[in-house]
Amino acid sequence: VQLAQSGAEVKKPGESLKISCKGSGYSFADYWIAWVRQMPGKGLEWVGIVYAGDSDTRYSPSFQGQVTMSADKSISTAYLQWSSLKASDTAMYFCARRSGTAYFDTWGQGTLVTVSS
Amino acid sequence: SYELTQPLSVSVALGLTARITCGGNNIGGKNVHWYQQRPGQAPVLVMFDNSKRPSGIPERFSGSNSGNTATLTISGAQAGDEADYYCHLWDSNTDVVFGGGTKLTVL
Repeated sequence: VQLAQSGAEVKKPGESLKISCKGSGYSFADYWIAWVRQMPGKGLEWVGIVYAGDSDTRYSPSFQGQVTMSADKSISTAYLQWSSLKASDTAMYFCARRSGTAYFDTWGQGTLVTVSS
Repeated sequence: SYELTQPLSVSVALGLTARITCGGNNIGGKNVHWYQQRPGQAPVLVMFDNSKRPSGIPERFSGSNSGNTATLTISGAQAGDEADYYCHLWDSNTDVVFGGGTKLTVL
């Protein structure tokens, strides 16, 4: 079971971005994929979660309206996207597979997003 | 919203026992999970459902949960255990909740 995330991104404020998380080694469509933000030197923050089977989504109130999650089960890939980045979006973003009683048993390696003018 | 409280840091001498706590209102009635994050790496699940170890996690790691406190215990602490540790649970109102994280230092 693996989750492979897309590479680091450097963007300017106001630009759009879509990062990805590709699952392998399991039935991708049967699981929820969570997105977790970690700002430099800080702890883990839950962004939201998407069901890979039908793209049903739940957002943390802190991120509702700020990002959009989606999934394409045909290519076993989940996405997190921004329409207009801010400097405060600079962080490492992890995807993780939710299992059992809602624990995250597999994590991607992380995608570093840097937003700077 | 539900909140989880962890100490910012815990120190333990090499070979001794470290205990990392996670406080929450009636947390004993919930399933608590723990992650280890070494510097520059992704988190790794080290305990789920309060006291179950995933495959590959040493028996030195154990967990408990009762009342208002869940605890991750690391027996015979090793230098390689030095990391940040996060507790986590799912709450019906808040959905996903993470503790603020505890930095474990092995002296």
